[in-house]
Amino acid sequence: NAGVTQTPKFRVLKTGQSMTLLCAQDMNHEYMYWYRQDPGMGLRLIHYSVGEGTTAKGEVPDGYNVSRLKKQNFLLGLESAAPSQTSVYFCASSYVGLNTEAFFGQGTRLTVV
Amino acid sequence: EDQVTQSPEALRLQEGESSSLNCSYTVSGLRGLFWYRQDPGKGPEFLFTLYSAGEEKEKERLKATLTKKESFLHITAPKPEDSATYLCAVGYQAGTALIFGKGTTLSVSS
Repeated sequence: NAGVTQTPKFRVLKTGQSMTLLCAQDMNHEYMYWYRQDPGMGLRLIHYSVGEGTTAKGEVPDGYNVSRLKKQNFLLGLESAAPSQTSVYFCASSYVGLNTEAFFGQGTRLTVV
Repeated sequence: EDQVTQSPEALRLQEGESSSLNCSYTVSGLRGLFWYRQDPGKGPEFLFTLYSAGEEKEKERLKATLTKKESFLHITAPKPEDSATYLCAVGYQAGTALIFGKGTTLSVSS
């Protein structure tokens, strides 16, 4: 049982480059989320989705875009990477929303130089 | 402003020395309070969900409790393998996703 799988696990980008982070879940969850985790800041919500074909902004959405074309996948895109986007990115999913637990992937460590 | 505050930021214990971690919250309309464990280089791992004041959950050496303003994660006779960062999160009625505290990093030495 894989749960939530993130690809890639590590990446180094140059400023201005673009990339897409992939999240896949096999639990048939409706809700999916992208968080970033920075030292001293905790986990902050970037974007989320309440179902296939839907997306919405979270607390820190600027510089990121997302898509959820299939229920099991949630993609996070950086169109023009900036050093401020150096962080660890976590994808999570939950069956419902605010009153059920979210399950997290292993994270993607992104460094923008 | 709705927020979640965890204390202390870091806690060092000797093996067998019991203690508690605190999570206080100021959200309105709590839908659920969640505890997670995070090991270095890993994603958060779900531990407990608490829904109402007075509720308690236990798992091995961990026990989580909830009041109307805060939650405690009690660690009884900890072992070195309990060393990790413990995260608290809340879901609340007007929210869109879980709000996380910054975590408490626990170190247990033998």
